[in-house]
Amino acid sequence: SAVISQKPSRDICQRGTSLTIQCQVDSQVTMMFWYRQQPGQSLTLIATANQGSEATYESGFVIDKFPISRPNLTFSTLTVSNMSPEDSSIYLCSVDLTGANVLTFGAGSRLTVL
Amino acid sequence: AQKITQTQPGMFVQEKEAVTLDCTYDTSDPSYGLFWYKQPSSGEMIFLIYQGSYDQQNATEGRYSLNFQKARKSANLVISASQLGDSAMYFCAMRGPGTYKYIFGTGTRLKVLA
Repeated sequence: SAVISQKPSRDICQRGTSLTIQCQVDSQVTMMFWYRQQPGQSLTLIATANQGSEATYESGFVIDKFPISRPNLTFSTLTVSNMSPEDSSIYLCSVDLTGANVLTFGAGSRLTVL
Repeated sequence: AQKITQTQPGMFVQEKEAVTLDCTYDTSDPSYGLFWYKQPSSGEMIFLIYQGSYDQQNATEGRYSLNFQKARKSANLVISASQLGDSAMYFCAMRGPGTYKYIFGTGTRLKVLA
């Protein structure tokens, strides 16, 4: 079955720095989705990334803070900019691999900001 | 607005017993999808089961079944013959028509006892 790979799996970052998370899918997909899970919380959609167009951000998330790239149909990156401890979360990318409107998630990137 | 409610923050079950995890939802859309995901301590989100709002029969996937009570707006997950590896967080989620935006509940932490 198709695989979603995320890098890094975890990282510890300093306040004020930025980190880019990569998401690679081994099949072509139209849309990729980035979710955030803050500690002890549920998942919240950050944005939807379409190839060839700007990402669509959900309320409360802005491009300056979470710039997203989608250079091709198998790859996307999410950058968490100017990090603060409040950005400590698991960031997950997800795609619909089957066309059945069921999202498959990557293993997540667990970020800790000191 | 769509909403998912999971009222059980934590549950215990004895190994080999069945357990029901509760989920209620609220939506005004006639078409929607309901999902259950498992999140082990590693952080990945594992898709378990899906129920469409127009599906006449309850969804089943191996030891997982979804008890769909449309009139009551409930979508409880039933795990039969619990195993130690079932210990994890379980999230109920809903998707509205024409969107990949999932609304997640707050999750239930299940602990299977030997």
